[in-house]
Amino acid sequence: NAGVTQTPKFQVLKTGQSMTLQCAQDMNHNSMYWYRQDPGMGLRLIYYSASEGTTDKGEVPNGYNVSRLNKREFSLRLESAAPSQTSVYFCASSIYFSNQPQHFGDGTRLSIL
Amino acid sequence: TQLLEQSPQFLSIQEGENLTVYCNSSSVFSSLQWYRQEPGEGPVLLVTVVTGGEVKKLKRLTFQFGDARKDSSLHITAAQPGDTGLYLCAGVVGGSEKLVFGKGMKLTVNP
Repeated sequence: NAGVTQTPKFQVLKTGQSMTLQCAQDMNHNSMYWYRQDPGMGLRLIYYSASEGTTDKGEVPNGYNVSRLNKREFSLRLESAAPSQTSVYFCASSIYFSNQPQHFGDGTRLSIL
Repeated sequence: TQLLEQSPQFLSIQEGENLTVYCNSSSVFSSLQWYRQEPGEGPVLLVTVVTGGEVKKLKRLTFQFGDARKDSSLHITAAQPGDTGLYLCAGVVGGSEKLVFGKGMKLTVNP
């Protein structure tokens, strides 16, 4: 049982480049999330999808877009990467949106030069 | 303004010592979760507390939810090197549905 799978695990980009972070879950969960984790800042919610077909902004959505491709997959896109987006990105899922434990992937470590 | 304040932020102790981590807020939470994160991995859920005053035990870990549901604590008895990691509390504020994370407490247990 893979749980939540994120690809790639590591990526280095130049300022202005674009890329898409992929996330897939095999637990038949309805809700999916994207977080970034920075030293001293904790986990901050970027975007979430409470259910298939819906997406909403979290705490720090600027510079990002998301797509809920189907129930399993939720991607995060950086259209024009900036050094401030250097971070570790985590995808998570939960059976429903509210008050439910979240299951996390192992993260994507992204550096933007 | 941080909705959830965790203290201490860092702790380095010797194997066998006891410790307590605190998670405090001025808001009332409908539920509160504790996660542990090891280096290079994502957070993993340890426990969820829902009822004010609730106490849950997970081997050497004891979790308590405050009576007013504004705070929680995690007590570890006889810490072991395998307890090393980042401990995160996360809560759902009543009226909102989003989970909000504290900044975490980084624990190092030395052999």
